[in-house]
Amino acid sequence: AQTVTQSQPEMSVQEAETVTLSCTYDTSESNYYLFWYKQPPSRQMILVIRQEAYKQQNATENRFSVNFQKAAKSFSLKISDSQLGDTAMYFCAFMKKNYGGSQGNLIFGKGTKLSVKP
Amino acid sequence: DGGITQSPKYLFRKEGQNVTLSCEQNLNHDAMYWYRQDPGQGLRLIYYSQIVNDFQKGDIAEGYSVSREKKESFPLTVTSAQKNPTAFYLCASGVRDRAEAFFGQGTRLTVV
Repeated sequence: AQTVTQSQPEMSVQEAETVTLSCTYDTSESNYYLFWYKQPPSRQMILVIRQEAYKQQNATENRFSVNFQKAAKSFSLKISDSQLGDTAMYFCAFMKKNYGGSQGNLIFGKGTKLSVKP
Repeated sequence: DGGITQSPKYLFRKEGQNVTLSCEQNLNHDAMYWYRQDPGQGLRLIYYSQIVNDFQKGDIAEGYSVSREKKESFPLTVTSAQKNPTAFYLCASGVRDRAEAFFGQGTRLTVV
């Protein structure tokens, strides 16, 4: 069974600074995907970034980037130039890559509550 | 606009009553999911369906039931057998062979 661990229940950062959220996972699978989702106070789950395990290059999306260390089973999220709108719960998630036409299930960590302070 | 619609946004029920949460999508997605969110617990999978007329139990299926009679719809029934039904429920859908999941806005269920 796969597990996802987020060891930082809460973090805070000053506006315009950089913050890194940690995530580790455990799996015996070799092909999978990793995700970071954001859940603002509205509680809408928003995909921030996705990484395919077979790709060595770290994914980036504007101010968001990841540090994917496959051997260490680590998948951290870096937010640069933090903005007030980044205040949210952030969830790390794992999805096994299925073959034959089905989609895997998302397995979530317990989340990190990020507060961006003015 | 394409998307996933959950209704209602807030739901109150008396203890011992069954209640059904609605989830509809017009994204033509094959896969649909129900997650439960509790404070400090992240999201836990209740049920999922990869195709019409087929569904599987997730990690916490006890006290819940689902149906998938149409591709667009995946309603979740919270039965009286569910010991702690008060929670935030999220529905999601995804495309087969693609690693993407889109979420609805959730339903907050309170049982009193």
